[in-house]
Amino acid sequence: AQSVTQLDSHVSVSEGTPVLLRCNYSSSYSPSLFWYVQHPNKGLQLLLKYTSAATLVKGINGFEAEFKKSETSFHLTKPSAHMSDAAEYFCVFYSAFGNEKLTFGTGTRLTIIP
Amino acid sequence: GAGVSQSPRYKVTKRGQDVALRCDPISGHVSLYWYRQALGQGPEFLTYFNYEAQQDKSGLPNDRFSAERPEGSISTLTIQRTEQRDSAMYRCASSPRSNTEAFFGQGTRLTVV
Repeated sequence: AQSVTQLDSHVSVSEGTPVLLRCNYSSSYSPSLFWYVQHPNKGLQLLLKYTSAATLVKGINGFEAEFKKSETSFHLTKPSAHMSDAAEYFCVFYSAFGNEKLTFGTGTRLTIIP
Repeated sequence: GAGVSQSPRYKVTKRGQDVALRCDPISGHVSLYWYRQALGQGPEFLTYFNYEAQQDKSGLPNDRFSAERPEGSISTLTIQRTEQRDSAMYRCASSPRSNTEAFFGQGTRLTVV
């Protein structure tokens, strides 16, 4: 089956320290991968996307992610966490071969400790 | 409009009533998706369209749920004989084509009492 797995349901980091949110995918074909963020009581906003161009993808608000085919991973990172980063983050998978729909991971809730 | 527009934003209905949720995608976007999100959960796929054609409806929970996009633009998700378990946030998204990022609307929060 083609899917994504978010390895941590909850991550807590101190303000100013690095953020790492993990995502692994399962696919026989090269997928498109996205990270979305959802702030409390808000809609879903695209952070960044990978669509088979550069493997290191930079997004908004200082986030970036690296597509690693050998590890089937697409982890989201940020060098220094800010209080405003507290939100739910979703790794999203798309493959043109098979389902052709956006499949969401279960989400990771990021908490920032002042 | 500039973004995906969903209406109503909030809907409270009595059990057994039918509801229709509307999605107005970004102009020119080919693909339109419907998702359902329960509190504390990730979005769950319901169905999607390319133009007016419903490509996949495998996520619709049962035959009380249906969706259409007759002219390849506005879409309606209809739930017949609503039940309390249908209460959730219903989200619509559109994308320029099927393998690009999707832009989400603010959602319709449905409460069945």
